[in-house]
Amino acid sequence: DVKVTQSSRYLVKRTGEKVFLECVQDMDHENMFWYRQDPGLGLRLIYFSYDVKMKEKGDIPEGYSVSREKKERFSLILESASTNQTSMYLCASTPTRLAGADTQYFGPGTRLTVL
Amino acid sequence: KNQVEQSPQSLIILEGKNCTLQCNYTVSPFSNLRWYKQDTGRGPVSLTIMTFSENTKSNGRYTATLDADTKQSSLHITASQLSDSASYICVVRGGSSASKIIFGSGTRLSIRP
Repeated sequence: DVKVTQSSRYLVKRTGEKVFLECVQDMDHENMFWYRQDPGLGLRLIYFSYDVKMKEKGDIPEGYSVSREKKERFSLILESASTNQTSMYLCASTPTRLAGADTQYFGPGTRLTVL
Repeated sequence: KNQVEQSPQSLIILEGKNCTLQCNYTVSPFSNLRWYKQDTGRGPVSLTIMTFSENTKSNGRYTATLDADTKQSSLHITASQLSDSASYICVVRGGSSASKIIFGSGTRLSIRP
């Protein structure tokens, strides 16, 4: 079974803090994604990466950065957390970029609260 | 604009009953459509995938249909169980880029005993 793990299930941070969310997948997947999920909205793509050290902006990259130094690990960084970044953050991975092989495997999510 | 709309937003049914969830999309070009199940506090898990040429796909008590002409999909759940209580998310892939994976906002299904 593919396993995608996220470093924390729940996080509480203060406004202005630097926040690191870590995601690890154990199936040698090429692609990794960071989404945020808010009530009444579909998942929104923050960043994705299709290879080590490669990254592309998604729909809502502002206020976020990412790092992929190793294939299995994709980190999301909030440089200076703000209250509007309170959300559920979901990491996902897919084997390749091919459309037919693009089942996304999701981690359990990190619920971040910024006070 | 690429969009995926789901209805209803929420649904409550009694255990053992059937239900149908709807998904309408305007994503173009179309690559595939998936239904995911998301249990509370968990990440989504894929239930079915359909491409343009497929109009029905089953996974146990879950049956998804796709009408590519009208750009509509449905997810039918038969003989519901308490464990079916979850959010069901319709996801449409519109092209080769990861940014073309469009998520609906989901239907929150509650099964009552």
